[in-house]
Amino acid sequence: AQRVTQPEKLLSVFKGAPVELKCNYSYSGSPELFWYVQYSRQRLQLLLRHISRESIKGFTADLNKGETSFHLKKPFAQEEDSAMYYCALLTGNQFYFGTGTSLTVIP
Amino acid sequence: NAGVTQTPKFQVLKTGQSMTLQCAQDMNHNSMYWYRQDPGMGLRLIYYSASEGTTDKGEVPNGYNVSRLNKREFSLRLESAAPSQTSVYFCASSESGKSGYTFGSGTRLTVV
Repeated sequence: AQRVTQPEKLLSVFKGAPVELKCNYSYSGSPELFWYVQYSRQRLQLLLRHISRESIKGFTADLNKGETSFHLKKPFAQEEDSAMYYCALLTGNQFYFGTGTSLTVIP
Repeated sequence: NAGVTQTPKFQVLKTGQSMTLQCAQDMNHNSMYWYRQDPGMGLRLIYYSASEGTTDKGEVPNGYNVSRLNKREFSLRLESAAPSQTSVYFCASSESGKSGYTFGSGTRLTVV
């Protein structure tokens, strides 16, 4: 069975500090992983995909197959980064979402 | 280009009432999905439609039915609402999973 685990429900960091949101997955096949973000009272938006190896809004995420992780990182957090972040595993055409991490950036 | 449009945005139902949540997308996507979002549980798939004319159960289908009316529209029906169905419901669509989902703005449903 596939599963996505986000161990932190809440995470607070100070503005300018580095931030890392953890995501671990369990999947027997070759994983495709994504991060989605949901700002307050807004719809979920795709943040980044591991296959694109892109950096969006200063965030990056590296797939580590050995540790089965796909942690989201940003070197300097900004207040506008405060949001709910969901890690998601794609199997077929379906996503399995983690339970989310609520990030608060303290001014 | 509206993307994915959900109606209504808010709804309060009494236990036992029925209602249909509407979803439409204008991106010519093949696949459409209904999720519910609950605190501490993330997003859970209720039903999905991989293409027009097909629907399949997701992780939590009990108490719901869906209709893929055409390529654009995918509705979710609660026949007899229960308090456990109080949630925020999101519709999503995609051309292919690899491109990610486009989500609607959600429907906040309260069943009293």
